[in-house]
Amino acid sequence: GQQLNQSPQSMFIQEGEDVSMNCTSSSIFNTWLWYKQDPGEGPVLLIALYKAGELTSNGRLTAQFGITRKDSFLNISASIPSDVGIYFCAGLVLNYGGATNKLIFGTGTLLAVQP
Amino acid sequence: DSGVTQTPKHLITATGQRVTLRCSPRSGDLSVYWYQQSLDQGLQFLIQYYNGEERAKGNILERFSAQQFPDLHSELNLSSLELGDSALYFCASSAGSLGELFFGEGSRLTVL
Repeated sequence: GQQLNQSPQSMFIQEGEDVSMNCTSSSIFNTWLWYKQDPGEGPVLLIALYKAGELTSNGRLTAQFGITRKDSFLNISASIPSDVGIYFCAGLVLNYGGATNKLIFGTGTLLAVQP
Repeated sequence: DSGVTQTPKHLITATGQRVTLRCSPRSGDLSVYWYQQSLDQGLQFLIQYYNGEERAKGNILERFSAQQFPDLHSELNLSSLELGDSALYFCASSAGSLGELFFGEGSRLTVL
């Protein structure tokens, strides 16, 4: 089945550093999304990417939809303590033959930021 | 605040028991999704409903069932509970089909 390999599993950085994480798969996805989960909360959508090659920014966050449609990356610039949390990538497969689209989540990247 | 409401927030019960988790989606969202998140695990998709009908099934155990009611709220029923069912259960809703989900704060289930 389709799987998303997310790396790194965890990162421990100093405030002010830039962060990069990525998601890869052997399958093609139609949409890539990045979510963040704060401790004790549900995931929150950060960025959605709909076209291969698309580069999208949301404040200090930048994400790209890989040209092959099999990968995506997320960069966070000038990290701050509130960036702490788990970041999940998610890939969407549109099921043209039926009524069901399939959203698959990566295993998450735990980010810790030292003030 | 995502607009998705889940109750209860915390639940402690014993093995063999049955519990019901409730979810109210964002106003106007027709799709409801249920996910399970255990320690060291990512988000495992359980089941999706769209306007009252089951749309997709993931890794949902036979002991688990769900439904979506005419007012669009959804319930996840977990029966014959085992220790391994202890987890965070998230409900999410969406207006469309492009993967943009809005998650509730989750229901933390502890089975003793």
